[in-house]
Amino acid sequence: SAVISQKPSRDICQRGTSLTIQCQVDSQVTMMFWYRQQPGQSLTLIATANQGSEATYESGFVIDKFPISRPNLTFSTLTVSNMSPEDSSIYLCSVAVGQGTYEQYFGPGTRLTVT
Amino acid sequence: EDQVTQSPEALRLQEGESSSLNCSYTVSGLRGLFWYRQDPGKGPEFLFTLYSAGEEKEKERLKATLTKKESFLHITAPKPEDSATYLCAVIGTASKLTFGTGTRLQVTL
Repeated sequence: SAVISQKPSRDICQRGTSLTIQCQVDSQVTMMFWYRQQPGQSLTLIATANQGSEATYESGFVIDKFPISRPNLTFSTLTVSNMSPEDSSIYLCSVAVGQGTYEQYFGPGTRLTVT
Repeated sequence: EDQVTQSPEALRLQEGESSSLNCSYTVSGLRGLFWYRQDPGKGPEFLFTLYSAGEEKEKERLKATLTKKESFLHITAPKPEDSATYLCAVIGTASKLTFGTGTRLQVTL
C-alpha cells in the first residue's frame, strides 16, 4: 500500500476563483489519479496524472477547467478553475501500486464548498 | 460501458446480526473487482480484490465472494465499528475503475 496526503483537507471558496489541491505519496508510483465525489454520489474519475506528460482526461472533464500537474513520481496537483457551486465536491487522489494489480489506494480527500 | 449497481442503498443491523451486501456488475473483460470501506469525511479504504468467479477473500468479520455477474460482501456478527459506506468497483479492459454508489451500513447496539 501507500501513504497518501492531501492539502488542503477542506476549503470554502467564492465562485469565479480557483483552488489548487496537492497530493503527496510516501513512495514513487507510476499511476496517479484524480476523482470527484459529489454529495450522495459515487466516485467519478476526472483524469490520470501522467509524469512528464499531459494528463489524460475522462469524458466530461477538460484541461482548462481541471489543470493537472505531475512533476515527479510522488506528487501531483489538481486545480479547480473558475469555480461555481456545482464544483462543490470531495476531490480525491489515488495511486496504483504493485505490478500486475489494479488496486488503487486513496488519499483522505479535499472537501470543497463553493459559495 | 462498465456499470456497477449496489444494493441495498442503506442497511441497518443490530450488533451480531449477519447480512450480505450485493454488487452487480457488467464489465468488458473483468480484470478485478474491488471492495472499499469509506468512513464519513475520509477517503475509501481498500479491503479486497477479487479476480475470477469462485474466488473468496476474508478479513476479520468480512468475506467477499465473486460470481460472473455479482459479488457479495458478507458481514458476520457485525459490530458498531463496522458502520460505514461500503463501495464496490470494477476494472476491465478500459483500465478505468468504475464505482457503484455504495451501501451505507449502520450497526447498532
